[in-house]
Amino acid sequence: AQSVAQPEDQVNVAEGNPLTVKCTYSVSGNPYLFWYVQYPNRGLQFLLKYITGDNLVKGSYGFEAEFNKSQTSFHLKKPSALVSDSALYFCAVIMDTGRRALTFGSGTRLQVQP
Amino acid sequence: GAGVSQSPSNKVTEKGKDVELRCDPISGHTALYWYRQSLGQGLEFLIYFQGNSAPDKSGLPSDRFSAERTGGSVSTLTIQRTQQEDSAVYLCASSSRAGTDYEKLFFGSGTQLSVL
Repeated sequence: AQSVAQPEDQVNVAEGNPLTVKCTYSVSGNPYLFWYVQYPNRGLQFLLKYITGDNLVKGSYGFEAEFNKSQTSFHLKKPSALVSDSALYFCAVIMDTGRRALTFGSGTRLQVQP
Repeated sequence: GAGVSQSPSNKVTEKGKDVELRCDPISGHTALYWYRQSLGQGLEFLIYFQGNSAPDKSGLPSDRFSAERTGGSVSTLTIQRTQQEDSAVYLCASSSRAGTDYEKLFFGSGTQLSVL
């Protein structure tokens, strides 16, 4: 079985400040981890992924995420938030074997205030 | 086409009617997925097609839901005898499962289904 938890429904941050959107996962094998973003009135877009290798993954729009196996976490981070980062963010997981469809978290709404 | 195309973009139907939602994936993508996004909820997995393999139907919520993928390309999600709780945005995604796009899903804009 595989599952993802995003413990925060909403994260508020001031423009220019660092942001973190939390994600923890549960899989019985090795995880492949993803972040997707959904801007208002637009489709879901891929941000970044962790398959293997370096635990710090860099993605689109200056975002990065750190895979922490011991804490089963994959938190999304950005050093300096922009108002345009305001959107709905989804973490997703898939095992390296078995079922091949991503399991998504419930989403976290990021609100960046000017 | 350049991206995943879904039609219709909006569908309003009466309770008890059948509906068909269409997805045209990116050319060459072997994997196709259907998800459902209800207001304020995350993405709920419905069904997954990969090449010629038997589809993973484990996410379909009831036997009123079915999907097919013809010729390894276009997919149709059918909901029979629609209920109000079926109201949601139905999202289709495809992936190439190859190269740098391995496991990267490309999503369509979705079909907003409203059951009155």
